[in-house]
Amino acid sequence: DAGVTQSPTHLIKTRGQQVTLRCSPKSGHDTVSWYQQALGQGPQFIFQYYEEEERQRGNFPDRFSGHQFPNYSSELNVNALLLGDSALYLCASSLNSRGLPDEQYFGPGTRLTVT
Amino acid sequence: AQRVTQPEKLLSVFKGAPVELKCNYSYSGSPELFWYVQYSRQRLQLLLRHISRESIKGFTADLNKGETSFHLKKPFAQEEDSAMYYCALQKTSYDKVIFGPGTSLSVIP
Repeated sequence: DAGVTQSPTHLIKTRGQQVTLRCSPKSGHDTVSWYQQALGQGPQFIFQYYEEEERQRGNFPDRFSGHQFPNYSSELNVNALLLGDSALYLCASSLNSRGLPDEQYFGPGTRLTVT
Repeated sequence: AQRVTQPEKLLSVFKGAPVELKCNYSYSGSPELFWYVQYSRQRLQLLLRHISRESIKGFTADLNKGETSFHLKKPFAQEEDSAMYYCALQKTSYDKVIFGPGTSLSVIP
């Protein structure tokens, strides 16, 4: 099991453009969360998908949207890119289970640079 | 709103010395608390969580509800402990995870 995979590894976009980032969860996991990590900061929660629906959302504008597919993989879309969107985007997967808090398994991230 | 603070951005200790990474949180309820670690060129991974009350790689963390703290401790630091450490909070099992800004630990040989 390769664990959580993300593509692409790096991406350079221009202000105003749109971008799509992709994530495949760890085998057996059904929940995907996306985080934005700016340089020198901790990961900031964007949203979480479960059963192809957005279950939780952080304080991010509507320019940030996502999707989860029947195979549990997920996409993060960002429209009208701003310079401030430059960051490492992390995907984390977990198994929706009752009882213990979900342990999140992180991918290596996609480094987005907006020029 | 819930918040996690880690007062030290950088922490340097000598090999064999005790280490304590501080974490404070703001939340009126009883949250789930975690420590995540990121070693150089590796992905972020869970180190330990409060509910499990376990010791991982010699690290322990005690929840102090009165001081709203969840400090990470290890009695004898090793060089391989050098990494970025993030404290994180989750209100409930289904809620978003809130991360602190992180502390970079450097263990000097």
